[in-house]
Amino acid sequence: DTEVTQTPKHLVMGMTNKKSLKCEQHMGHRAMYWYKQKAKKPPELMFVYSYEKLSINESVPSRFSPECPNSSLLNLHLHALQPEDSALYLCASSPRTGGRDGEKLFFGSGTQLSVL
Amino acid sequence: RKEVEQDPGPFNVPEGATVAFNCTYSNSASQSFFWYRQDCRKEPKLLMSVYSSGNEDGRFTAQLNRASQYISLLIRDSKLSDSATYLCVVRGAGKSTFGDGTTLTVKP
Repeated sequence: DTEVTQTPKHLVMGMTNKKSLKCEQHMGHRAMYWYKQKAKKPPELMFVYSYEKLSINESVPSRFSPECPNSSLLNLHLHALQPEDSALYLCASSPRTGGRDGEKLFFGSGTQLSVL
Repeated sequence: RKEVEQDPGPFNVPEGATVAFNCTYSNSASQSFFWYRQDCRKEPKLLMSVYSSGNEDGRFTAQLNRASQYISLLIRDSKLSDSATYLCVVRGAGKSTFGDGTTLTVKP
């Protein structure tokens, strides 16, 4: 099983809504990531969890709140988003074992988010 | 200067052509290097790792030049199915930085 599963695949929300994106992996990977990708742009790193602890926050606004309940799950809680937050949100994981191969990223298929 | 810069593209080539992409990075302390492929409206997928000794996988060859801080990807005998955006990824300081991507279109 080499999958990273994200739900939902599509999400439309108003600026006053609260919603959550979910990500799950069962590959035993110890690092998990949230990326944001706008059309025709590369993925931009938002957060990194390493061994279930938040290790990197790329100065993301507080309306995005990550959570890592255990080593297999990663959530992104959304509140009071703006229309410019509309994008594809990608979850990824990596083994984080020693060596180069430990840093390979495995992506989920993403959540396409539209904020109205 | 961007941390990771790629050939702007797009590249439009006929089937069977050989095409090469280059990528430069600014941080000499970078540790790991990869090429990812992303199809339209899909997630990025790892194509191959890049090693100083070179890395070949079928029609694809990746090379790393640490002295000049660049990475290359060579695709031989292009297929229609190779049409995609190719992303150069450089890893250091616990995070991966993506280049802007180069779009390849292979035409019949």
